[in-house]
Amino acid sequence: DIQLTQSPSTLSASVGDRVTITCRASQSISYWLAWYQQKPGEAPKLLIYKASTLESGVPSRFSGSGSATEFTLTISSLQPDDYATYYCQQYTNYFLTFGGGTKVEIK
Amino acid sequence: EVQLLESGGGLVQPGGSLRLSCAASGLTFTSTAMSWVRQAPGKGLEWVSSISGGGGTTHYADSVKGRFTISRDNSKNTAHLEMNSLRAEDTAVYYCASGGQLLAYFEYWGQGTLVAVSS
Repeated sequence: DIQLTQSPSTLSASVGDRVTITCRASQSISYWLAWYQQKPGEAPKLLIYKASTLESGVPSRFSGSGSATEFTLTISSLQPDDYATYYCQQYTNYFLTFGGGTKVEIK
Repeated sequence: EVQLLESGGGLVQPGGSLRLSCAASGLTFTSTAMSWVRQAPGKGLEWVSSISGGGGTTHYADSVKGRFTISRDNSKNTAHLEMNSLRAEDTAVYYCASGGQLLAYFEYWGQGTLVAVSS
């Protein structure tokens, strides 16, 4: 199976900060990577797919980049609604896998 | 508007069985792969199983292979997850999710249904 390692696992940041989350794959997954946001008690919400394509309706402060084994999710200016846990997911292999998650907390 | 609505969760004893259902609306169900993703309390997301639109192809995580069976009834726009030989480590919120193809990200998610395995 393809392993996805996210870092950091927890991140403390203030409103207005630029936030970057990294997702590393155990082998090349080309650009077949998605990012999700999950708030407590809610289902995950798709933010980005194909590494850098923004899902419809998602604010433009979210962006994704990377290919092969290293990917990043960036929030250009953190907003109060962005405090949540973020997950990456690969879909190059039928045994789909998620990263362990990054919790973005209020500093 | 696409809606996925799970049902069937509950409390079950170790070794027991449970059948989850996911009723879909707002999408072309017969051409849409369906999946189950679970989340243990306080933990991350874990893909469980997927089934192709026609139902002929299925995939399972190693942790559930041989115990869980995914199926679908395209006449009723419903997907199912039959769970047997349940263990404490199967305790989780189970989400129904869809992204169109078997090999895909998940654009649509249900609200989740809680399965608790305990004596």
